Amino acid sequence: KNEVEQSPQNLTAQEGEFITINCSYSVGISALHWLQQHPGGGIVSLFMLSSGKKKHGRLIATINIQEKHSSLHITASHPRDSAVYICAVRTSGSRLTFGEGTQLTVNP
Amino acid sequence: NAGVTQTPKFQVLKTGQSMTLQCAQDMNHNSMYWYRQDPGMGLRLIYYSASEGTTDKGEVPNGYNVSRLNKREFSLRLESAAPSQTSVYFCASSERGSNSYEQYFGPGTRLTVT
Repeated sequence: KNEVEQSPQNLTAQEGEFITINCSYSVGISALHWLQQHPGGGIVSLFMLSSGKKKHGRLIATINIQEKHSSLHITASHPRDSAVYICAVRTSGSRLTFGEGTQLTVNP
Repeated sequence: NAGVTQTPKFQVLKTGQSMTLQCAQDMNHNSMYWYRQDPGMGLRLIYYSASEGTTDKGEVPNGYNVSRLNKREFSLRLESAAPSQTSVYFCASSERGSNSYEQYFGPGTRLTVT
């Protein structure tokens, strides 16, 4: 069993829908990261969380440390949100352990 | 600022050939990483360097060597390439700060070993 599990693996939505991607982990962590991988392959960091909730534009990330669970929400989804979303946890130092990613496709 | 740069972007090797993937960052970060990404798997850490002059094995180091040439540059060498090393390779860097250990990624190198 992977230390970081994401669900769903694939998600197709219609433009405007509210989207939720989930991440569960099995180890103690110091922080959790959400990243986005563009269709061209580039990877960018979206959020780093150690507690609570963060919001950036239409993206919201939450974490529940007791339940070892995080969610990434996208409100009013748009085709340009189509990408792979990756959850990663930091257990010690600067090393990250990554989930397999969620492929999101938003259709117009 | 260019951020993290990687060369080459694409490479095809024959089994047994060697090559070095180059990575450089201009953000004055102390930590640098090499990952590989394979279909159906998450990014996996090959080697990392917490600071100039130090390197440590990650999750999948076999078949690879690294050099932290200076604070800016961190190279990954395949001494004798194997088809199992066909993958997309990403270099990343990070620094502790207000965004503790946020990692910045290079554009990736797509390597095919035939």
